[in-house]
Amino acid sequence: DAGVIQSPRHEVTEMGQEVTLRCKPISGHDYLFWYRQTMMRGLELLIYFNNNVPIDDSGMPEDRFSAKMPNASFSTLKIQPSEPRDSAVYFCASSTVPTYGYTFGSGTRLTVV
Amino acid sequence: GENVEQHPSTLSVQEGDSAVIKCTYSDSASNYFPWYKQELGKRPQLIIDIRSNVGEKKDQRIAVTLNKTAKHFSLHITETQPEDSAVYFCAAIPGNTGKLIFGQGTTLQVKP
Repeated sequence: DAGVIQSPRHEVTEMGQEVTLRCKPISGHDYLFWYRQTMMRGLELLIYFNNNVPIDDSGMPEDRFSAKMPNASFSTLKIQPSEPRDSAVYFCASSTVPTYGYTFGSGTRLTVV
Repeated sequence: GENVEQHPSTLSVQEGDSAVIKCTYSDSASNYFPWYKQELGKRPQLIIDIRSNVGEKKDQRIAVTLNKTAKHFSLHITETQPEDSAVYFCAAIPGNTGKLIFGQGTTLQVKP
C-alpha cells in the first residue's frame, strides 16, 4: 500500500488566493482526519470524517476553511481566502477504527505571502 | 474536552543513557494512548501505543507505562542512540470520539 497520499507537498500562494489541499487515504480506512501543525499551536485536529461523513469540525478555525470527502478515496481541505497566518504544515491521516493506528501522510507545507 | 499536557519540552541526553517523557490527560474516559516520533521535515510516525486495560508495554528499547488513577502515561527509551533524536508526541483519544488529541511535543537530542 502506498500509504496516505497528500498533494501538493509544497504550496506557496498570495494572500487572498484560494488554496486546495488533497488527500487520498489508505484503501479500506474509513476514518480520515485533517491536522494542522505550527510551532505555536502544535498538532491541531481540524476535522474528521467517518465513511465520508464529517463527524466533528469543531477544530476548523474559521469559515474560510472547508473540507469535503466526496468518496472513500479522496478528501479536500480548502482555504478561501488564504491569509499569512494560515501558513503551516497540513497533515491528513487515516485509520480503520477511531481508536487505533492512525497513519499520517507526508503533509503539505503551505506558505501564504 | 480532553487536554493532554506533555513535559519536558526539550530533553538532552548522552548516547546510551535513558530518556523519559511524561504526559497527563484530563478525560477519564480516554482509553487509547499512542506515541509518535517526528523527524525534522517528516510525518509523525507511530512508535508504540497502549490501551487503558494495560499498565505497561514494551517494544525493544521503548516502553510505555500508564497510570489510569493518576491519569498519566510515560515513554521510556533505554540505551539511546543518535538516531533517536526527534520530536516525540504523546496523544490520547477520549472515549469513542476518534479524536486524537496531541501533547505539545518533546524535542529529544541524543549526544554522541
